[in-house]
Amino acid sequence: EPEVTQTPSHQVTQMGQEVILRCVPISNHLYFYWYRQILGQKVEFLVSFYNNEISEKSEIFDDQFSVERPDGSNFTLKIRSTKLEDSAMYFCASIRNLDLLGTNVLTFGAGSRLTVL
Amino acid sequence: QQQVKQSPQSLIVQKGGISIINCAYENTAFDYFPWYQQFPGKGPALLIAIRPDVSEKKEGRFTISFNKSAKQFSLHIMDSQPGDSATYFCAARDFGNEKLTFGTGTRLTIIP
Repeated sequence: EPEVTQTPSHQVTQMGQEVILRCVPISNHLYFYWYRQILGQKVEFLVSFYNNEISEKSEIFDDQFSVERPDGSNFTLKIRSTKLEDSAMYFCASIRNLDLLGTNVLTFGAGSRLTVL
Repeated sequence: QQQVKQSPQSLIVQKGGISIINCAYENTAFDYFPWYQQFPGKGPALLIAIRPDVSEKKEGRFTISFNKSAKQFSLHIMDSQPGDSATYFCAARDFGNEKLTFGTGTRLTIIP
C-alpha cells in the first residue's frame, strides 16, 4: 500500500536553529499538507500546498515557516528560527484530489518529532 | 465556529463491550466527517468517514452515527478488542477549505 514517508523521525535542535522536515507524498497525489500535534493535544492544520503554491495556511504558519516542493517528489517544511513552542510532532499528508470519495483519502505520514531545547 | 468538540477525553472499556465516542460541531458548512485512529508513534490513519446526507455508516465493527439537526456524530466500536486501544480523533472538513479540523482526541483502552 502506498504511503507517505517522512524524515527524520526525530530531530533535536537548539532554539534559534533552522530545521527542515522532509516528506515524500504518495506519487499520484496532488495536494500536500503539514499538520502538527503538540504532545497530548489535537492535530492542528498548518498549511496546504497545491500546484506549487500555498493554497491555505493557518495562523500558526507565520513568517518563520515555509514550504517547498523542490524536485517534484519531496515536500519540505522549514522552520527558520525554532522556538521552544515549536516542539511537536509534525505530520505530512497528501491526497489525490479534494473529492474524498472511495479510495481517495487523506493519508498521513508517521510524523517527525521535533524537540527544541 | 471551526471547532469540533470531542468527548470523552479517555475511555476504558472491557473486551467485547461497545466503545462510544462523541463529537459535536457548529459549522454547518462541514461536509465530510472522518474518524482517525492513531497508535503511539504513528500518524493518524483514516478509520471510517461519513457525509451529512446519511445518518449511519457501518464498516465491520465500526459505525458512525450522524445527527445533522443536532450537529453531532459518534463512533461506535462493537465487540471492542485490545487491539483497538488507541487514540481516536473525529474531524470535519468545510468544502470551502481544504483543511481538516480535528477534535481533541479520545484515548481508548480496552481491558481484558
